[in-house]
Amino acid sequence: AQSVAQPEDQVNVAEGNPLTVKCTYSVSGNPYLFWYVQYPNRGLQFLLKYITGDNLVKGSYGFEAEFNKSQTSFHLKKPSALVSDSALYFCAVRPGSARQLTFGSGTQLTVLP
Amino acid sequence: GAGVSQSPSNKVTEKGKDVELRCDPISGHTALYWYRQRLGQGLEFLIYFQGNSAPDKSGLPSDRFSAERTGESVSTLTIQRTQQEDSAVYLCASSGRDSNYGYTFGSGTRLTVV
Repeated sequence: AQSVAQPEDQVNVAEGNPLTVKCTYSVSGNPYLFWYVQYPNRGLQFLLKYITGDNLVKGSYGFEAEFNKSQTSFHLKKPSALVSDSALYFCAVRPGSARQLTFGSGTQLTVLP
Repeated sequence: GAGVSQSPSNKVTEKGKDVELRCDPISGHTALYWYRQRLGQGLEFLIYFQGNSAPDKSGLPSDRFSAERTGESVSTLTIQRTQQEDSAVYLCASSGRDSNYGYTFGSGTRLTVV
């Protein structure tokens, strides 16, 4: 069975600094990897995905993520954080053979002004 | 519709009562998913519908939970004899034939059992 780990419940970063939200996964076969963001009292919004191809994936709002097969990681990054990036971030995975996503427990990102 | 619509947005019910939660997916999306998000926790898969195929019910936590979907339209999640531990946000998502593009989520129904 597949699983996702987000080792940090909370990440704090100063505005303008780079940010990283960590994600590692376990899945049989080739993984399909996703990042979602959840703002307060709203549903999850799709940020970016990795299916195949370049290991560096660019998504919405200036976010990017790097797929590292040897480390089974898919960390979310942004070169310069904004206060408006403060939200709850979820990593998700599914094997190519399945349709349903398995989500991590989420990481609360707080960007301090 | 333009997005996934869920109703009600908030529901407070007494312990032991039955509740019905509704999800209206994006028109043309063949797949529909229900997840549960307890306070401070991640998303827990409940059930998945794909077209007219038999649903994947492997995530339903007990026989008090059930869901229906007619064709590729509205779905209803029913919780019978609600318990306090059922309190959570119930999220619905839908996806097109190519789920490589991920899901589109609704805003959820916040269920509080008192």
